[in-house]
Order: sequence, then C-alpha cells, then structure tokens
Amino acid sequence: NAGVTQTPKFRILKIGQSMTLQCTQDMNHNYMYWYRQDPGMGLKLIYYSVGAGITDKGEVPNGYNVSRSTTEDFPLRLELAAPSQTSVYFCASKKRFGGKSQETQYFGPGTRLLVL
Amino acid sequence: GENVEQHPSTLSVQEGDSAVIKCTYSDSASNYFPWYKQELGKGPQLIIDIRSNVGEKKDQRIAVTLNKTAKHFSLHITETQPEDSAVYFCAASNQSGGTSYGKLTFGQGTILTVHP
Repeated sequence: NAGVTQTPKFRILKIGQSMTLQCTQDMNHNYMYWYRQDPGMGLKLIYYSVGAGITDKGEVPNGYNVSRSTTEDFPLRLELAAPSQTSVYFCASKKRFGGKSQETQYFGPGTRLLVL
Repeated sequence: GENVEQHPSTLSVQEGDSAVIKCTYSDSASNYFPWYKQELGKGPQLIIDIRSNVGEKKDQRIAVTLNKTAKHFSLHITETQPEDSAVYFCAASNQSGGTSYGKLTFGQGTILTVHP
C-alpha cells in the first residue's frame, strides 16, 4: 500500500488564483481529513468526510471547499487564494471500524503552499 | 469544543537523557490520546497512543501516562538518541461516536532536540 499520497509537494500561487490539492488513499478508509499547519502551531482541521458523498466543516473551513466522489480521493479546493492561506496542508485518513486501528489517523507527506 | 495545551514548546536534552512532554485537555468526553512525531518535511507519524481505560502504556523507550481526573497526559522518552530529534504533537479525541467522527484536536507541538 502507498498509504496516503498528496500532490503537489510544493506550489506558489498568486493572490486570487485557484488550485486543487489532491489527496488519495489506498487503504479503503472511510474517514478522510484535511488539516493546515502554520509555523509553530499544531494542526487545525479544515474539512472532513465520513464517506463518499459526505463532507463537513472543521475548525477553519473559510476559503476552502472539498468533495468526496470516491472512497479513495478527497481533493481540497482553494478558489481565491489569499496570503493567509500560506501554510502546509496535510491529508489524513482512518478506518471506520476494525479493532484498535480504527482510531489511528494516517497522514500524507503534506503540500507546502505559498501565496504571494 | 476540545482544547489541548502542550508544554514545553522546545526541549533540548543530551543523548541518553530522558525527555518528558506534557499535555492537558479540556473535554472530559475525550477518550483517545495519540502522540505523533513529525520529522522535517514529512507528515506526522503515530508513535504511541493510549485510551482512557488505561493509565500507562509502554513501547520500548517510549511511554505515555494518562491522568483522567486531572485531564493530563504525558509522553516519556528514555535513553534519547539524536534520531529522536523531531516535533512531537499530542492530540485528543472522542471516539465514542456521535458527531465527533474521530476528530483529533492537536496540541501546539514540542520541538525536541537531542544533542550527541
């Protein structure tokens, strides 16, 4: 299994541009999450999904959108990039049920985004 | 909602010494407490976790303790090695179902440096 993969690894955007951060997992996990990590801070939840077709807002959803058309993919969309969205973005996934491992979130390697 | 405080923000130790990182949480319904290690340029990786029905858990040089009454939990690393240098995050979650969907609330992180 490749686990959780994210693309791109790094991107520079101009203010007002849009982009989609891709996230794919091959572990057949039901739950998927998007976090942002600002320098010196913990991870803040942006959006999450409990299964295909179901998404919901986390702590910091403004300026972002998500979709979940398949179990494997959970893309994050930035419509009008702003400097405040400069951050490192992590995607994570976990099982819905299945013993002890159901509680563990598995993280991707992250996408570093710079908005100028 | 849940709030997790983590201390210290930076920790510097000599190789072979022990390191202790402490976290407090606010929501008494939280029942799952993972610890993640994040190396430079990578996503967080789970290193150990504890559930609220257990007071202590060990895995080789790593141990976690939980005090439910005081709502705090700690990570202990013994015989530290330079490769333990990383950022460590604690987190808390209510895995009992309902609307929480296993959402993790993270602490702010601790930068651990182990000097050879």
